Amino acid sequence: TQLLEQSPQFLSIQEGENLTVYCNSSSVFSSLQWYRQEPGEGPVLLVTVVTGGEVKKLKRLTFQFGDARKDSSLHITAAQTGDTGLYLCAGDSYYGQNFVFGPGTRLSVLP
Amino acid sequence: NAGVMQNPRHLVRRRGQEARLRCSPMKGHSHVYWYRQLPEEGLKFMVYLQKENIIDESGMPKERFSAEFPKEGPSILRIQQVVRGDSAAYFCASSPLRDKGNEQFFGPGTRLTVL
Repeated sequence: TQLLEQSPQFLSIQEGENLTVYCNSSSVFSSLQWYRQEPGEGPVLLVTVVTGGEVKKLKRLTFQFGDARKDSSLHITAAQTGDTGLYLCAGDSYYGQNFVFGPGTRLSVLP
Repeated sequence: NAGVMQNPRHLVRRRGQEARLRCSPMKGHSHVYWYRQLPEEGLKFMVYLQKENIIDESGMPKERFSAEFPKEGPSILRIQQVVRGDSAAYFCASSPLRDKGNEQFFGPGTRLTVL
């Protein structure tokens, strides 16, 4: 059974601060996606990382895929209130047919 | 480009009734996934379908739940004889290909409430 763990579960910070959230597994994934979900809406894809060690930047967001393809991190610089939401990582297995989602990190950015 | 569409957005059923949830994938997408989300929790995989085929239903309860994706028309998730524990948000996602870097695009969800 492939599991993805995310930490921290909850995070509350002030606007302007930096933060990092983590996604970890004991399994290897062929790719890993990060999504953001706002209340009452479906998840929205932020990024896909495919290559071990890969780093992708999306404005103030930096995503990294671990060298062994078992973990990933999302770093947000100078957080804004609009960054508030549930951040989900999801892994695409080499072996299974389905996507595995982590439980999410609930981020709250306070003004 | 229309995104993934789901209807209804909200569905209220009494215990014992049937719930039918519909999902129209993005144009050109032939892969559909259904997920369930309980309040304050992540997404739980239910079933993965291609046109006219169920590829993986390992996350779907064996009883009362079924899914289809016909050649024509939307994908349907059907829950028979609903119970209060079925109350949740059900999300559908679609993707164009099943390959490395597979990306799924989600619909807005159907919120099922069982009274």
